[in-house]
Amino acid sequence: KQEVTQIPAALSVPEGENLVLNCSFTDSAIYNLQWFRQDPGKGLTSLLLIQSSQREQTSGRLNASLDKSSGRSTLYIAASQPGDSATYLCAVITDSWGKLQFGAGTQVVVTP
Amino acid sequence: SQTIHQWPATLVQPVGSPLSLECTVEGTSNPNLYWYRQAAGRGLQLLFYSVGIGQISSEVPQNLSASRPQDRQFILSSKKLLLSDSGFYLCAWSVLAGPRSQYFGPGTRLLVL
Repeated sequence: KQEVTQIPAALSVPEGENLVLNCSFTDSAIYNLQWFRQDPGKGLTSLLLIQSSQREQTSGRLNASLDKSSGRSTLYIAASQPGDSATYLCAVITDSWGKLQFGAGTQVVVTP
Repeated sequence: SQTIHQWPATLVQPVGSPLSLECTVEGTSNPNLYWYRQAAGRGLQLLFYSVGIGQISSEVPQNLSASRPQDRQFILSSKKLLLSDSGFYLCAWSVLAGPRSQYFGPGTRLLVL
């Protein structure tokens, strides 16, 4: 059974520092991997999707890497801002039906 | 562009009462649809998914059921709510082809008392 783990569970950094969020999964036979952001009491916002054949994906200040063989993905957020404060969720797409298996998330606080 | 709606936004229901949560998607045809639950202190769990009208797959045996009466409408129901049904319910959609990115609705917060 696929298990997805995110470390750390919580992270606090001063504004301007780079953020590094880790995600690991036990079964490397994934379809794709998707990173989301969740603000308190809100739905999920898709940040990046990395296809299983890709090594990384970039969008603005966000960069996500994928090492399928070792079961790891890392989300980098450059030059963090207070508006980046949220919970970041990693999810692997486990089959062609698009079913997601989520990690528990990393709660990020960026202090001004 | 595509939009996903969920209602109600918040619901407080007594134990034993019925439940109906609705999700609709605009701007796409024949989407895959998903229901997830996020319980307090727990991660997101897939409950149901649907690849077409009337086609429902259940991931977790439970007190809930789902239906898809129209192409872009997905309904989550229960005949009798339990305390353990409390949580944040999220609907999502994706397309079957391509990278299969999922896009989520705003969610319904359900409190069963």
